Amino acid sequence: ETGVTQTPRHLVMGMTNKKSLKCEQHLGHNAMYWYKQSAKKPLELMFVYNFKEQTENNSVPSRFSPECPNSSHLFLHLHTLQPEDSALYLCASSYGQGGKETQYFGPGTRLLVL
Amino acid sequence: KQEVTQIPAALSVPEGENLVLNCSFTDSAIYNLQWFRQDPGKGLTSLLLIQSSQREQTSGRLNASLDKSSGRSTLYIAASQPGDSATYLCAVSGSNYKLTFGKGTLLTVNP
Repeated sequence: ETGVTQTPRHLVMGMTNKKSLKCEQHLGHNAMYWYKQSAKKPLELMFVYNFKEQTENNSVPSRFSPECPNSSHLFLHLHTLQPEDSALYLCASSYGQGGKETQYFGPGTRLLVL
Repeated sequence: KQEVTQIPAALSVPEGENLVLNCSFTDSAIYNLQWFRQDPGKGLTSLLLIQSSQREQTSGRLNASLDKSSGRSTLYIAASQPGDSATYLCAVSGSNYKLTFGKGTLLTVNP
């Protein structure tokens, strides 16, 4: 596969469940990002990793826990979520985390919390 | 805090028409501005990236302009086609790596 892939594409979970979202990039990038896209709101940056190190946590609740084992893989672990966490979660990657680089996005995971 | 506004929120045009999408931002201290396309239920595809020192970028039927001092950008689509139907997002990057997005313009091109 090429580009940025995300699994699963769709996820339904209860508030007591624990699940994980996976992102993989095949572009040789070193920076990876998690974004949240809610209905009628702009995309919100959640986390940034550069060379596996977290460089940004945009005041995200602790029920979202990111993990970046290497520059190609990024996870978002979910536990005790709330219905308002239902959204499209997008992963992106880029060369370097500097603002001059284009970010390449995955197709997203559509999450529904019941 | 940077804020990005896109007007209109939705636009419906007949096939073949030329159209303009607008983006404005409150803080002119940007590194670059990007236009993305998002198809329903899918991720974002980068269309054009304009560095702060540039005035415009072109790719095929797309032309994006940037007036940093006034905090504005436009995306011009020539000879629109039904396949252009999507949500178009504008995003600006400050001196750090953060992209601030607008809510997007939903474009429908009718055959």
